[in-house]
Amino acid sequence: NAGVMQNPRHLVRRRGQEARLRCSPMKGHSHVYWYRQLPEEGLKFMVYLQKENIIDESGMPKERFSAEFPKEGPSILRIQQVVRGDSAAYFCASSPSTGEGSDTQYFGPGTRLTVL
Amino acid sequence: AQRVTQPEKLLSVFKGAPVELKCNYSYSGSPELFWYVQYSRQRLQLLLRHISRESIKGFTADLNKGETSFHLKKPFAQEEDSAMYYCALRDSGAGSYQLTFGKGTKLSVIP
Repeated sequence: NAGVMQNPRHLVRRRGQEARLRCSPMKGHSHVYWYRQLPEEGLKFMVYLQKENIIDESGMPKERFSAEFPKEGPSILRIQQVVRGDSAAYFCASSPSTGEGSDTQYFGPGTRLTVL
Repeated sequence: AQRVTQPEKLLSVFKGAPVELKCNYSYSGSPELFWYVQYSRQRLQLLLRHISRESIKGFTADLNKGETSFHLKKPFAQEEDSAMYYCALRDSGAGSYQLTFGKGTKLSVIP
């Protein structure tokens, strides 16, 4: 099992551009979580998705940020009109829906977004 | 609101010395506590969780509800223990799966 995959690993955008971050969960996992880590900070929860459903987006900024997890393909975290304050490491995690390990989140390597 | 505090940003110990990484939390519900570790150039991975009451790589952690603490301990530090350690909390009762992380403690084991 290749584990949670995230791409790109590094992303540079200019202010006002759009950033798209992708996350492929572990095989057999149908739950995806996105976290953001600002410099010198811990990971902060953003959103929790299951296939085609947003379950909890209480940590998402109200504007410019959106997330999806389609029936086919990776989960996408989209940031429109990026600003310098969006520069951070974005981590994706996945977990199985039921059974052993369903409460354990497995993390990807992260995407480091730099906004110039 | 739930909160996790790791008071030490950096902890340096000599090889063979005991290690204690502190974690305190504030939460009024029924929390589940975890320790995650990130070795250099590797992804974040689960080290242990309080409900398992297990020892992983010689590390143990006991949930103390009276002191609202979940300190991570190891009697004899090894060089390979050098890493970033994050304490995390999850609300087990409300059906939410989000983890609340502390800011992390960087453990450096001196040979």
